[in-house]
Amino acid sequence: GNSVTQMEGPVTLSEEAFLTINCTYTATGYPSLFWYVQYPGEGLQLLLKATKADDKGSNKGFEATYRKETTSFHLEKGSVQVSDSAVYFCALSVERDDKIIFGKGTRLHILP
Amino acid sequence: EPEVTQTPSHQVTQMGQEVILRCVPISNHLYFYWYRQILGQKVEFLVSFYNNEISEKSEIFDDQFSVERPDGSNFTLKIRSTKLEDSAMYFCASSSEGQGYTEAFFGQGTRLTVV
Repeated sequence: GNSVTQMEGPVTLSEEAFLTINCTYTATGYPSLFWYVQYPGEGLQLLLKATKADDKGSNKGFEATYRKETTSFHLEKGSVQVSDSAVYFCALSVERDDKIIFGKGTRLHILP
Repeated sequence: EPEVTQTPSHQVTQMGQEVILRCVPISNHLYFYWYRQILGQKVEFLVSFYNNEISEKSEIFDDQFSVERPDGSNFTLKIRSTKLEDSAMYFCASSSEGQGYTEAFFGQGTRLTVV
């Protein structure tokens, strides 16, 4: 079946640190991959996506590259800010399968 | 910017009572979804809805659950007789095409607490 595994949190970093949140997936078929973010008190927002192998999704300084050979989609940011504190969800969907499969989420705390 | 809105933000109910969670999807969207997240667990798919009928549902979505689009703007999730294990954050989402093809927009969620 289809599934997503992401690193456990919480992750606590100082401002301007480098961030990596690991995500790997299992999928039957050819998935699209997503990172969603949930800021405190808000809903899930799409942060970035990639729809085919070697695509790089990017937004707000975050990046993730679709790696088919390692079935991974790790989220990175070169210099985090306090405002990046949130819960980050890795997710996938498979064409013709009308739902999103989410990981458990990783809570990120950025200290000033 | 258009957004999906959900009401209420928090609902407390007695076990065995019926609850209705409400959602207003983005106005020109055609596909509607409910997900839930039990505290500390994954966000799980419940049901998708298109063209006034359920297009897919998960094992979680048993006979106690139903969805409806009563008036062309609201999209509701009803739980007929709530159990303690129904306590979770419930997210509504909508998209212009199916989720395998385009971005889904999520609401802020309704936290349901069954006591």
